[in-house]
Amino acid sequence: SQKIEQNSEALNIQEGKTATLTCNYTNYSPAYLQWYRQDPGRGPVFLLLIRENEKEKRKERLKVTFDTTLKQSLFHITASQPADSATYLCALDHLGAGNKLTFGGGTRVLVKP
Amino acid sequence: DTGVSQDPRHKITKRGQNVTFRCDPISEHNRLYWYRQTLGQGPEFLTYFQNEAQLEKSRLLSDRFSAERPKGSFSTLEIQRTEQGDSAMYLCASSLSGVDTGELFFGEGSRLTVL
Repeated sequence: SQKIEQNSEALNIQEGKTATLTCNYTNYSPAYLQWYRQDPGRGPVFLLLIRENEKEKRKERLKVTFDTTLKQSLFHITASQPADSATYLCALDHLGAGNKLTFGGGTRVLVKP
Repeated sequence: DTGVSQDPRHKITKRGQNVTFRCDPISEHNRLYWYRQTLGQGPEFLTYFQNEAQLEKSRLLSDRFSAERPKGSFSTLEIQRTEQGDSAMYLCASSLSGVDTGELFFGEGSRLTVL
């Protein structure tokens, strides 16, 4: 069966350090993978997209890698700040299926000052 | 504000009642999606429209759930004969087909509590 797994345990990290989150998937053939941020009681907000033929994508303090052989994406927040505290969701399409994204369960990040 | 808007933001109802949620997408977006999210989980896809056509509804949770987008603009999600297990956040998102990024723009959600 198809599965997207993110670490359900919260990640506690000290301000200034790098947070690294993982997203593993099975039985998908995604054309791309996306990462979203979600604050409590709010809708998810798009952060980054990485395509299957891209190894790495960066945006400001964020970096995403995508390994289609390992079926894994890593999401890094460098120089983390308390304002980065949120839940981070990975999402992927399947066979380019028209923006119909499937989401992982999310990982909560807490950045302590 | 030109983002995705959802109404109501919160709804408390008694078991067995019908509820309807409305979503107004970003005006130029032709795709509209409904997701459901329960506490501690990621959003779960329910259905989506391209213009007024409902292109997939197999993930609607039961025949008590229905969605419409009559004129290809706003959409409604109706739940009939609500059950306590329907308590969740119902998220609407929109996007523009043919855009390479494929990102979804979400509303703030409608939180349903069934007593």
